[in-house]
Amino acid sequence: AQSVAQPEDQVNVAEGNPLTVKCTYSVSGNPYLFWYVQYPNRGLQFLLKYITGDNLVKGSYGFEAEFNKSQTSFHLKKPSALVSDSALYFCAVRDMDSGAGSYQLTFGKGTKLSVIP
Amino acid sequence: DAGVIQSPRHEVTEMGQEVTLRCKPISGHDYLFWYRQTMMRGLELLIYFNNNVPIDDSGMPEDRFSAKMPNASFSTLKIQPSEPRDSAVYFCATRGSYNSPLHFGNGTRLTVT
Repeated sequence: AQSVAQPEDQVNVAEGNPLTVKCTYSVSGNPYLFWYVQYPNRGLQFLLKYITGDNLVKGSYGFEAEFNKSQTSFHLKKPSALVSDSALYFCAVRDMDSGAGSYQLTFGKGTKLSVIP
Repeated sequence: DAGVIQSPRHEVTEMGQEVTLRCKPISGHDYLFWYRQTMMRGLELLIYFNNNVPIDDSGMPEDRFSAKMPNASFSTLKIQPSEPRDSAVYFCATRGSYNSPLHFGNGTRLTVT
């Protein structure tokens, strides 16, 4: 079974400060990891993904995430937060070794990010 | 591309009524997923299709829920009869190639009174 944990329900950060939204995962095989963002009354939007290669992944809107295999983590980061970054952020994982016939993307519970002006 | 289109955006109905949610996927996307989002349970995968064929419906909560994909450009999720605990936001999402990310619609907010 695969699972995702986002240990913080809410993260508050001052505008201009760096932000981190935490994510840890559990899969049997190799992980395929995503971050999505959800604005009010909208669907989830893709931010970035990790498959293989460089552990630091860069995505949309200046966000990046660092894959750490030993800690089974995939934390989302941004060097300087904007008020417009305030939204709900979801981490998701899929087991790459689950086979092409099975697709199961497991989402975390989400973390609400509030950037304070 | 208009993205994944869901209708209606909001649905308010009385307990016992039939509810039909609709989804138009992005053209060329072979996989279609129905998710439900609630505060208590987060995002739950209900069912997904590949090339219009249901692959995994293990997330469908009860027999009251059914989903169809009669062709590559349309899918429905039906609840009959509806109950207050079905109140949630229902999302349709699609993807193209095997390792590409999901594209979500803006959801249907269902309220069952």
